Parts: sequence; structure tokens; C-alpha cells
Amino acid sequence: DADVTQTPRNRITKTGKRIMLECSQTKGHDRMYWYRQDPGLGLRLIYYSFDVKDINKGEISDGYSVSRQAQAKFSLSLESAIPNQTALYFCATSDAYGYTFGSGTRLTVV
Amino acid sequence: QKEVEQNSGPLSVPEGAIASLNCTYSDRGSQSFFWYRQYSGKSPELIMFIYSNGDKEDGRFTAQLNKASQYVSLLIRDSQPSDSATYLCAVRDTDKLIFGTGTRLQVFP
Repeated sequence: DADVTQTPRNRITKTGKRIMLECSQTKGHDRMYWYRQDPGLGLRLIYYSFDVKDINKGEISDGYSVSRQAQAKFSLSLESAIPNQTALYFCATSDAYGYTFGSGTRLTVV
Repeated sequence: QKEVEQNSGPLSVPEGAIASLNCTYSDRGSQSFFWYRQYSGKSPELIMFIYSNGDKEDGRFTAQLNKASQYVSLLIRDSQPSDSATYLCAVRDTDKLIFGTGTRLQVFP
């Protein structure tokens, strides 16, 4: 099994719908992150969490929310999806030696 | 806003050559630097990290750090077509990483 698992792998949703992307990890790391990746813009940080009681906004948090249900689970929600949220979304965990990424969720908002 | 800059490429090199990928960063106080490889549509994979000035070697990969000039580079020796990917430079900012936009490397036979 993968160390960091994201579900779903692909999702097409309609404008205005609520959608949740889920992430779970078996690495035992406290720190978890959500990034989105767009062509030419690289990886941009949406939210991050250092433990279940800690949530922090990244550089592009508007339109997103997160929930840290347990040390191993960190979910990202789009309350009302819009087309410019179409992107590849990555969850990651970290220790002092860098990040481990999940396989990504390709989200398309039509 | 702390920044990490990379040339988007593509950088094209023949098989067997040395590929040199460069990255500059804006925060002089940065301490930790990372190189990731990302194949199209896949997640980034850590290649190596470097904390100290100078070179760090791991197999065909060498990371070079020059804090005075605020750049970090990645050399890939004996480049193979399987090295064709986007290479992301990242700098640690307290407890999160700031990524460059990546350099696309193409290794042709």
C-alpha cells in the first residue's frame, strides 16, 4: 500500500457542487499539506496542518477548507466548486528530510 | 513573498551527457534545499536534499549549494532517456516547502 493515499484519483464535477478530496497516510508524520498544481505555476500551498488541532492557511486558501480528522487523515473541501479550481491536487506529509506526496487527484470542474 | 526561480526549459541533452539544472532563491536565510523529479501526470519524488554549502553526491546525481550566491543546482551524469521529466527545486520556509515552477528535461537518444 502507498504511504500517502489520495481519493478519488480523478473527479469531474459541476460548478457549484461541494466536493471533498481525501488523504490518508501510514508514515506516522504529524505534518500534512495540500497543494494544487497548474501548468506553468508549479505547486502552490493551499492548507497545512502540524497536528489534529492545528490548521494553517497557505498562499491560495480562498475557496477551500480542510479538516484534520486524525493524525493520519487530512481532507480538502471545495464548498462550491468553480472552473478555475480545475487542477491536479496533491496531499503530502513531511519529516525533516522532505515531503512524501500522494498520487494526486485530477479535478475537473465543468 | 519568498521565491524560488527555475528556468522552465525544456533543457535538451543527448544520452550520456551531463544535465545541469539550476535554481535561485530569494531568502538569504534559507537553510534546506530539495530536488524533486516529476514525470508527467505523476507525483513528485524526492531525489535529494542538501543543507551545507558545497556538493552532495548520490549515484548519478550531484546537488550543489552556494548560499552566498543563493543558488542550488542539480547535475545528472550519464543522462538517460528515463531521466526525461520535470525537476522541481524546493526551499524550506520554516515548516513548509516553497517550490519553483520546475525545469523540463529532455534526454534524447
